[in-house]
Amino acid sequence: QQQVKQSPQSLIVQKGGISIINCAYENTAFDYFPWYQQFPGKGPALLIAIRPDVSEKKEGRFTISFNKSAKQFSLHIMDSQPGDSATYFCAASRIQAGTALIFGKGTTLSVSS
Amino acid sequence: KAGVTQTPRYLIKTRGQQVTLSCSPISGHRSVSWYQQTPGQGLQFLFEYFSETQRNKGNFPGRFSGRQFSNSRSEMNVSTLELGDSALYLCASSLEIEQFFGPGTRLTVL
Repeated sequence: QQQVKQSPQSLIVQKGGISIINCAYENTAFDYFPWYQQFPGKGPALLIAIRPDVSEKKEGRFTISFNKSAKQFSLHIMDSQPGDSATYFCAASRIQAGTALIFGKGTTLSVSS
Repeated sequence: KAGVTQTPRYLIKTRGQQVTLSCSPISGHRSVSWYQQTPGQGLQFLFEYFSETQRNKGNFPGRFSGRQFSNSRSEMNVSTLELGDSALYLCASSLEIEQFFGPGTRLTVL
């Protein structure tokens, strides 16, 4: 049972464009939603995270939008750059249950110059 | 501050063997979690250790085990290796909620 569904599987965006990756979760007990960026040969790096008490969080060019009623959250990358080309993973967890993250399947982003 | 370190970075084993992977968390972090990453299944949680105690466990067979030492360093062990155990094994350390991953150990089972 996949508890976090991520789409699209792959994404091609022009340099300077907006990249949008979507995730949906099933377990309403989840209360922590991070996004990770992974380059080939590297471990995932924490990009940005949100708690369900806010609907949006922005850090630089990266923004998380959160819709609690729809059980969905998304990552927006503004002014996408070739250096953003990587695989992005959304995740969810229940803070009280420890740090076990449930990950989406990942989105491979390619930013063309 | 140094990041999470994992050793070895690459391993090649044959079916039936056992393997031990090591993880050193960020200084001051007491929680260490392990994940398996494969192209088919993605990132899957194995287990979490906090203050030398397993606090959480994922849905993996008993061949996968781990432990944590008093200095927060952690090891995971896989016994009776199967071809399907070939994967990138990632360790993550955390102080509170945020988890920081190491570069992983690439295990290939032949």
